Amino acid sequence: AQSVSQHNHHVILSEAASLELGCNYSYGGTVNLFWYVQYPGQHLQLLLKYFSGDPLVKGIKGFEAEFIKSKFSFNLRKPSVQWSDTAEYFCAVNKNTGFQKLVFGTGTRLLVSP
Amino acid sequence: DAGVTQSPTHLIKTRGQQVTLRCSPKSGHDTVSWYQQALGQGPQFIFQYYEEEERQRGNFPDRFSGHQFPNYSSELNVNALLLGDSALYLCASSPLAGSDEQYFGPGTRLTVT
Repeated sequence: AQSVSQHNHHVILSEAASLELGCNYSYGGTVNLFWYVQYPGQHLQLLLKYFSGDPLVKGIKGFEAEFIKSKFSFNLRKPSVQWSDTAEYFCAVNKNTGFQKLVFGTGTRLLVSP
Repeated sequence: DAGVTQSPTHLIKTRGQQVTLRCSPKSGHDTVSWYQQALGQGPQFIFQYYEEEERQRGNFPDRFSGHQFPNYSSELNVNALLLGDSALYLCASSPLAGSDEQYFGPGTRLTVT
């Protein structure tokens, strides 16, 4: 069965620090990859997605992620975080079969101190 | 353009009771998926509805059932509630054709006592 691992459960950074959140998935076939963000008191929002093509994808709010097929990884990065990036981040994957079931990781809670 | 809406926002039930949660998809979307998010966990897929039929199901018991109406809105029903059913229940909608992107609602927080 598919699974998604997010190794960092809690991350604390100061403003302007660089961010990298790890995500690994287990599935040998073609997949679509997503990062969702959940700001305090808000619903899940899509940050970025990868379906095919350039493995470096850019999302909203200065976030980017790199798909490395050989490592089954899709790590999220941001060069300089802001206090407003404090949120929970979820990596998710679905099989590229037309069925949209998403398998989520357990999430990484990011706290950015001003 | 309204996004995905869910009702109620919060709900408290007693063990053994039954509950119905409701979801209205984003305008133009015809597919609705339900997820359960337990505290400290990522959302887990319950099932997906399209054309009023269950299209795909996750690893949840038959106590969890659903329905989709002709206007694409959906209900999630849970019978014989257990303490472990306490969670945030999320509804997501998407257009079946094209993008795999799903849009999530704010969720219903269910507490079972």
